[in-house]
Amino acid sequence: GESVGLHLPTLSVQEGDNSIINCAYSNSASDYFIWYKQESGKGPQFIIDIRSNMDKRQGQRVTVLLNKTVKHLSLQIAATQPGDSAVYFCAEKLAGTGRRALTFGSGTRLQVQP
Amino acid sequence: DAGVTQSPTHLIKTRGQQVTLRCSPKSGHDTVSWYQQALGQGPQFIFQYYEEEERQRGNFPDRFSGHQFPNYSSELNVNALLLGDSALYLCASTLRDRNQPQHFGDGTRLSIL
Repeated sequence: GESVGLHLPTLSVQEGDNSIINCAYSNSASDYFIWYKQESGKGPQFIIDIRSNMDKRQGQRVTVLLNKTVKHLSLQIAATQPGDSAVYFCAEKLAGTGRRALTFGSGTRLQVQP
Repeated sequence: DAGVTQSPTHLIKTRGQQVTLRCSPKSGHDTVSWYQQALGQGPQFIFQYYEEEERQRGNFPDRFSGHQFPNYSSELNVNALLLGDSALYLCASTLRDRNQPQHFGDGTRLSIL
């Protein structure tokens, strides 16, 4: 089946800088997208979500942008902190009542340099 | 308010054995999904349960089976274990609504020798 992919496997940023993590999805039938953060030895932690009828959503220090025209999703983290170091996954969900499984990409590792 | 809890945290089995993993969903959630995460990869969907029935299944053989109990907790069973079954098994719960985030537990690390 189709799956979500990521452009960069590893992103290294300086503490205090802004981070941008990108994701490409291939299924135009997806209507819901989620970003998760996974720290070593833990399960994925929900960060922010966005529905396909939106193109931007903001949370605390995070912003998700959705470009349906080019099937692209990004996560922006403002003032990146050492605690933001983790693997970040984007996930998509197909529309329809019987399709609630999430399809994950392979992840991007964010390394924050002090 | 307890989140998703999974047990055990770690498990070691040998090829051919059978294993049962357990999950308690977040309070108020009625839908449980199971995922397999190989090292260095994203989680892969195994199946989903609500109202005590399997509702959707990913591309996994029927060696993988599950169950949901009336209290919404769930079990994942894997028979005839293979070396390739070594992975982190994640449970996620949500309300049975189309667009609600799934909340994950910390998983069970299964190692097959």
